[in-house]
Amino acid sequence: DVKVTQSSRYLVKRTGEKVFLECVQDMDHENMFWYRQDPGLGLRLIYFSYDVKMKEKGDIPEGYSVSREKKERFSLILESASTNQTSMYLCASSVGGLNTEAFFGQGTRLTVV
Amino acid sequence: AQKVTQAQTEISVVEKEDVTLDCVYETRDTTYYLFWYKQPPSGELVFLIRRNSFDEQNEISGRYSWNFQKSTSSFNFTITASQVVDSAVYFCALKVSNNNDMRFGAGTRLTVKP
Repeated sequence: DVKVTQSSRYLVKRTGEKVFLECVQDMDHENMFWYRQDPGLGLRLIYFSYDVKMKEKGDIPEGYSVSREKKERFSLILESASTNQTSMYLCASSVGGLNTEAFFGQGTRLTVV
Repeated sequence: AQKVTQAQTEISVVEKEDVTLDCVYETRDTTYYLFWYKQPPSGELVFLIRRNSFDEQNEISGRYSWNFQKSTSSFNFTITASQVVDSAVYFCALKVSNNNDMRFGAGTRLTVKP
């Protein structure tokens, strides 16, 4: 089975802190994604990566950056956490191609206080 | 631009009722894929089905069925004889050619009461 693992299930951080959310997949997938899930808004794409060191902005990249130094790992970085970044963050991975589904991690619920 | 609309925010039914979750999409691409995912209370999205833009055949899998109609840009999901375990948030998603990402709707929260 494909496994996408997010490093934390719950996180509480202070405003202004630099926050790292880590995601690891074990199926050698080319694509990795970070989404943010908020009630009534569904999943919104923050960033995705289609190869090591490659990244593309999604719909809401402001306030975030990403790092993909190894194929299996995709990190989301909140440079200076703010309360409006309190949300559920979902990591996903997929094989390249149009007809491929994404596999998701269990999510990280981040609270910024 | 691609867009997915799930107009039903929340649906509540009693066990054994049939329920249909609506999904309407927008894209100018002629080649695309549509997906449905289930998110149970545990939080992890689970893939249910994919359908490509050239295949309008409806699909049935047990109590689940999907109705794809290009004429109305809809990809609706029906659960027959719903069960409490069907309670979850359901997401419809769209993927278009020459693009690596997947765009999701806002989701529909389904509650099935015993």
